[in-house]
Amino acid sequence: GAGVSQSPRYKVAKRGQDVALRCDPISGHVSLFWYQQALGQGPEFLTYFQNEAQLDKSGLPSDRFFAERPEGSVSTLKIQRTQQEDSAVYLCASSLGRLVRAQHEQYFGPGTRLTVT
Amino acid sequence: GNSVTQMEGPVTLSEEAFLTINCTYTATGYPSLFWYVQYPGEGLQLLLKATKADDKGSNKGFEATYRKETTSFHLEKGSVQVSDSAVYFCALSSGGFKTIFGAGTRLFVKA
Repeated sequence: GAGVSQSPRYKVAKRGQDVALRCDPISGHVSLFWYQQALGQGPEFLTYFQNEAQLDKSGLPSDRFFAERPEGSVSTLKIQRTQQEDSAVYLCASSLGRLVRAQHEQYFGPGTRLTVT
Repeated sequence: GNSVTQMEGPVTLSEEAFLTINCTYTATGYPSLFWYVQYPGEGLQLLLKATKADDKGSNKGFEATYRKETTSFHLEKGSVQVSDSAVYFCALSSGGFKTIFGAGTRLFVKA
């Protein structure tokens, strides 16, 4: 697979359930980002990893959101006790180099559409 | 804080028409500016970028010039095709790891 892949592509959760969203970045990419995209809006930054280190998590909206990348490749975004306002498309992106002013191209996955009922 | 404002869509054009999608930004320092495109059913992909004032980014017939004096990065194409129908996002990065995206502008091109 040449691109960034995400799974599942669609997830329906009942309010209060926990969900886990997976991202497989392009092999060898050092940087990994998670974004949240609400309907009709642009992506909003959630968190950034450089290899296994989470260097910026300032965009996570609450402590119910947690992300990890334990071996510096695959990453998981976990949302605990989902709420309706968590309904959105969650995008993952990876980039080859370490980021300097975000100049390196980010390659985006297709996203996971989460619907909380 | 940093922000990006782009023209609301949808924009509907006939094939071979001239395209302009306006984008203005607010940022501290000297941001890098980007246009991303999302074709139907696909993920976002970088269309073009400019990293300093007066730079012109170009790709696939699209162009955008980094104008610091007007804090703008308008996207232009001289002759659009049906295959250009997509959602276009203006974005900036100014230090740190965050990229700030605009709300997106949907473009429809009719044959």
